[in-house]
Amino acid sequence: EAGVTQSPTHLIKTRGQQATLRCSPISGHTSVYWYQQALGLGLQFLLWYDEGEERNRGNFPPRFSGRQFPNYSSELNVNALELEDSALYLCASSFVASNQPQHFGDGTRLSIL
Amino acid sequence: GIQVEQSPPDLILQEGANSTLRCNFSDSVNNLQWFHQNPWGQLINLFYIPSGTKQNGRLSATTVATERYSLLYISSSQTTDSGVYFCAVLYNTDKLIFGTGTRLQVFP
Repeated sequence: EAGVTQSPTHLIKTRGQQATLRCSPISGHTSVYWYQQALGLGLQFLLWYDEGEERNRGNFPPRFSGRQFPNYSSELNVNALELEDSALYLCASSFVASNQPQHFGDGTRLSIL
Repeated sequence: GIQVEQSPPDLILQEGANSTLRCNFSDSVNNLQWFHQNPWGQLINLFYIPSGTKQNGRLSATTVATERYSLLYISSSQTTDSGVYFCAVLYNTDKLIFGTGTRLQVFP
């Protein structure tokens, strides 16, 4: 069974640009979660998508957005990039239910120059 | 919101030693997971353990939900066990809240 896949592995952008990160969940999983791991800030919840809808978002500005496609894959878009957006972005998927574990991809490392 | 605290923050061991990592959480949770983040940043699922005890090889975990803590045991540690260990709790049915992690270094 293929795990959660994320692309690209690394992404280098400059301030003010836009970044798009992609995630494919484990087959059968309908929920996709995005987390940010910035240096010194730990792992923080960003967004949760299920059945194509945004179900919850963390304490991040609106320039962090995304979507989920009919095949349950997901995109995370970050507009007007700032230096502080440099981080490892991790995607996870699960069956939708509170008693199901989340499985993580290998992440996209975003660097802002 | 819920607080998730891990101890110790850092742990240095020689190969072959045993260790216990602790995770305390401040409210009732729907599930709890333990992860190992390796030096390349990959977050690897170790256990899904909302309650009870589980074992997987040299690793085992115990969660006492009524007392709001979980323990991860690593026996006969190896250099490949090095990295950061996170516990995370599922709060309000959606997002995982991560602890601050325990950084483990195992030397030969």
